Amino acid sequence: DAGVIQSPRHEVTEMGQEVTLRCKPISGHNSLFWYRQTMMRGLELLIYFNNNVPIDDSGMPEDRFSAKMPNASFSTLKIQPSEPRDSAVYFCASSFLGGGGYTFGSGTRLTVV
Amino acid sequence: GENVEQHPSTLSVQEGDSAVIKCTYSDSASNYFPWYKQELGKRPQLIIDIRSNVGEKKDQRIAVTLNKTAKHFSLHITETQPEDSAVYFCAARKANNNDMRFGAGTRLTVKP
Repeated sequence: DAGVIQSPRHEVTEMGQEVTLRCKPISGHNSLFWYRQTMMRGLELLIYFNNNVPIDDSGMPEDRFSAKMPNASFSTLKIQPSEPRDSAVYFCASSFLGGGGYTFGSGTRLTVV
Repeated sequence: GENVEQHPSTLSVQEGDSAVIKCTYSDSASNYFPWYKQELGKRPQLIIDIRSNVGEKKDQRIAVTLNKTAKHFSLHITETQPEDSAVYFCAARKANNNDMRFGAGTRLTVKP
């Protein structure tokens, strides 16, 4: 298995632009998680899905953030409009529902200038 | 919700010494406690985990202990090596809840 695949690896965008981050979970995993990592706040859970259904989005910082999971093999995290304070590494992770640890993707390093 | 506290935030040891990182959790319903290692610029990777029905688990130079009564768990690394240098995260997850809450991380430096 290729693991959790995220794209792009790096994204530099101007303030106000729309940013879309993508994630392909491990085949067979039915839970998917989006985390944001910064020096100041560590690893923050933004949202997670079970069987493609959003379960808890209380970590999504603002209405500018939205996430979708149209099918079991694909999820997106969108920021519109982006702001410099959104600069961070965004990780996607997947797991079996209710079992074991997560497998993280390589992350997307987002820089908003 | 679950709150995971981790300390110390930084730890420096000499090669060959032991390192201990400690975490506490707030929700007694938590039953799964993994540890992740994150090297600079890389993803967090699961290195060991423990479930609430076990008090201790060991894997070569790494061991975890769990005290359910006190709601704390620890990571022990023996005979540390320079390649153990990384940020280590503890986490806790509840039985009927699939999300996981992470500690703030410990930056471990092993000096050769």
